[in-house]
Amino acid sequence: SAVISQKPSRDICQRGTSLTIQCQVDSQVTMMFWYRQQPGQSLTLIATANQGSEATYESGFVIDKFPISRPNLTFSTLTVSNMSPEDSSIYLCSVDMGGLAGIHEQFFGPGTRLTVL
Amino acid sequence: DAKTTQPPSMDCAEGRAANLPCNHSTISGNEYVYWYRQIHSQGPQYIIHGLKNNETNEMASLIITEDRKSSTLILPHATLRDTAVYYCIVRRETSGSRLTFGEGTQLTVNP
Repeated sequence: SAVISQKPSRDICQRGTSLTIQCQVDSQVTMMFWYRQQPGQSLTLIATANQGSEATYESGFVIDKFPISRPNLTFSTLTVSNMSPEDSSIYLCSVDMGGLAGIHEQFFGPGTRLTVL
Repeated sequence: DAKTTQPPSMDCAEGRAANLPCNHSTISGNEYVYWYRQIHSQGPQYIIHGLKNNETNEMASLIITEDRKSSTLILPHATLRDTAVYYCIVRRETSGSRLTFGEGTQLTVNP
């Protein structure tokens, strides 16, 4: 399995500001993903973080609003830019082991709970 | 990825089996059925997955119908700690591809 940590675990921010969320994995992984979970709702994929290249964004999400970095195989960041109260959500990082050691499931981090005032 | 349909909520008595159904009538031949659960305020946790055969692990059993249009997740002896939202997900490959979460089933295990 993979152990995933996220920083910060929670934050309260003012509208118009930006927050960068970090995701650290204890082993090298092929794929990393960022999800958003709005209050009372299910998870929605924001983007796939690609190592060494630009992230692949899902419909409805754009790089200017959610810039993502992935400098190596164990670390990624998601920035929520120019925040508004509608960005209040839990942001989750997940990793896919790519079938290494027969592991096919995705593992999720504990999430970052963001409140925008 | 095929769409899944699950009941929004279910209740189960502690110690009894919890049977969570999922419909995925548009599933294609190379799509797997995955189950995840999310305990309140935590990230989703993988439970089990299968293609066409029934599967069992230390957490649960997965029963897939012969036509693969539906499946049932079975928690054989539910405990209070099994209270969570359970997501049935159809996924194109075994690894490397996205997970598309539906609304899931809120399972409440009662003492």
